[in-house]
Amino acid sequence: ETGVTQTPRHLVMGMTNKKSLKCEQHLGHNAMYWYKQSAKKPLELMFVYNFKEQTENNSVPSRFSPECPNSSHLFLHLHTLQPEDSALYLCASSQAGGIDTQYFGPGTRLTVL
Amino acid sequence: QQQVKQSPQSLIVQKGGISIINCAYENTAFDYFPWYQQFPGKGPALLIAIRPDVSEKKEGRFTISFNKSAKQFSLHIMDSQPGDSATYFCAASKSGGYQKVTFGTGTKLQVIP
Repeated sequence: ETGVTQTPRHLVMGMTNKKSLKCEQHLGHNAMYWYKQSAKKPLELMFVYNFKEQTENNSVPSRFSPECPNSSHLFLHLHTLQPEDSALYLCASSQAGGIDTQYFGPGTRLTVL
Repeated sequence: QQQVKQSPQSLIVQKGGISIINCAYENTAFDYFPWYQQFPGKGPALLIAIRPDVSEKKEGRFTISFNKSAKQFSLHIMDSQPGDSATYFCAASKSGGYQKVTFGTGTKLQVIP
């Protein structure tokens, strides 16, 4: 596997379920990001981890809980979500420090019923 | 002040024509302006980027024009091809540390034969 991978690619869950999204990067980067992509809206940055430490929480509701056990893996734990949370959730990584490209995974299409 | 405004929302161009997408930013501290291309079912991928010390950057059929005084930049796709049909996002960020990138709302480009 190369680049940034995300699993699952599609997820349907009820509002009372608990699920987790997984992201893995194989690029040797040390910064990882969660974004939410909704139709006709800019990409919304949710969380940033830099060398495994959370450096940004963009006023995200507590029903979204990130976890970064190491520089290669990032999780997004979901519980008691709302239908308006349905979106494409994208993971990205970059080499922290200076200008560098963010590399995105293919995303997880989440539907909350 | 963190916004990046992108237009048009959608664009239809004939094969061989020129596609032009425009963006405007407010924060004068931004010093890196990438464009991302996103195909359905995929995450965004870096297409081309520019720093404000140059007014134009060209890579193949893709050109960024940058107007620092007007705080505007645009993407030109020359000889547009059906394979260019995708959603394009402009973005802006400040150098240093991890990248907190501000994205535009996206332009859905359709190139018709």
